[in-house]
Amino acid sequence: QSVLTQPPSVSGAPGQRVTISCTGSSSNIGAGYDVHWYQQLPGTAPKLLIYGNSNRPSGVPDRFSGSKSGTSASLAITGLQAEDEADYYCQSYDSSLSGSGVFGTGTKVTVL
Amino acid sequence: QVQLVESGGGLVKPGGSLRLSCAASGFTFSDYYMSWIRQAPGKGLEWVSYISSSGSTIYYADSVKGRFTISRDNAKNSLYLQMNSLRAEDTAVYYCARSRVPVAGIDYWGQGTLVTVSS
Repeated sequence: QSVLTQPPSVSGAPGQRVTISCTGSSSNIGAGYDVHWYQQLPGTAPKLLIYGNSNRPSGVPDRFSGSKSGTSASLAITGLQAEDEADYYCQSYDSSLSGSGVFGTGTKVTVL
Repeated sequence: QVQLVESGGGLVKPGGSLRLSCAASGFTFSDYYMSWIRQAPGKGLEWVSYISSSGSTIYYADSVKGRFTISRDNAKNSLYLQMNSLRAEDTAVYYCARSRVPVAGIDYWGQGTLVTVSS
């Protein structure tokens, strides 16, 4: 039961900038809970890409950046590369669901 | 290095049971919340259940409440998911995952184990 909405797909040419939106509500992102982003390459487990809205774990290229405003968040990929082709999921916490983490619907990034 | 290794997946008939295990290593297991997160074929991620570091706080998604039971053994660095009354819609890859607290991100995921419910 995804309560965070993402566009199903985005695409861009190598070197371009793409953004993925994550829209929530007043019980999750709008309530001040952090947003995290994951990258899932085909056939693999998700990997933490951005935590705490805008922080990159060690080893994640600075081409990836996150932001949050109001009830939404965004992930930006600059200088798009072929290896960035993957599914991306946002995640936050929702106080209306008995205290649970919630995921976005997921976005497929295609490098043209 | 942190490792989470799931086991116990397989093919089971509707109404059957299965127990998943997750062996953790490379970190102080008892310091972390642990979760089971699943992904149906071609679908998105669903948070199934989590358990606090001491086991005192537990969450279940409505879709599995009353059928699944999460548990942990901090002495054995292990996480479990007992799945009963399985349905076709429970078919998914089940990931073991760790976080400091529920509001924090999942910083490590296991490789996943596939559960297929079919007659």
